[in-house]
Amino acid sequence: SQTIHQWPATLVQPVGSPLSLECTVEGTSNPNLYWYRQAAGRGLQLLFYSVGIGQISSEVPQNLSASRPQDRQFILSSKKLLLSDSGFYLCAWSVSTGKFSRFNSPLHFGNGTRLTVT
Amino acid sequence: GESVGLHLPTLSVQEGDNSIINCAYSNSASDYFIWYKQESGKGPQFIIDIRSNMDKRQGQRVTVLLNKTVKHLSLQIAATQPGDSAVYFCAEKREYNNNDMRFGAGTRLTVKP
Repeated sequence: SQTIHQWPATLVQPVGSPLSLECTVEGTSNPNLYWYRQAAGRGLQLLFYSVGIGQISSEVPQNLSASRPQDRQFILSSKKLLLSDSGFYLCAWSVSTGKFSRFNSPLHFGNGTRLTVT
Repeated sequence: GESVGLHLPTLSVQEGDNSIINCAYSNSASDYFIWYKQESGKGPQFIIDIRSNMDKRQGQRVTVLLNKTVKHLSLQIAATQPGDSAVYFCAEKREYNNNDMRFGAGTRLTVKP
């Protein structure tokens, strides 16, 4: 069966420090990978998605970047954190279907990283 | 217990009662819908999905109803249990764009013993 791992579970970082959150997926090949941010009491905001190694699409302009160095590894980074980067970050995967495919696949989420920027 | 209208932030039901959580979606071109359950401190967990060519789908103790005419989605939980207490939110996917899934803010379900 497929599993998704995110770490760390919680992180407290000072403003201006760098960030690296890691996500790995097991039990599947060539998944679509996603980074979402969830603000308290609000829906999930898509930050980045990737359909393959080295292929990253950004949904919102921001202080963050993403990379996919391996098929099942997705990394969220920042060179200098801002206070507004605080939040709950979620990694997710789905079956690779092609953007315009009629095949639908739900997203499967990791347990998230609670980031507090102080 | 039943929630009406757009997202109510909370829904409280008695253990053993049926729960109905509602969601209004925005885009008539959306063709795939998912319900997620999120417990405190955890990531969202997939519950059930439905495609736009269906109006009802049943799982274990859960039923999803889709009304495309009014762009409304509901999740029914039968015999609600304390372990069902969580935030529930719906997601919609735009047709022909598998990378564009939009999530609602969610409804917090509290089950009273």
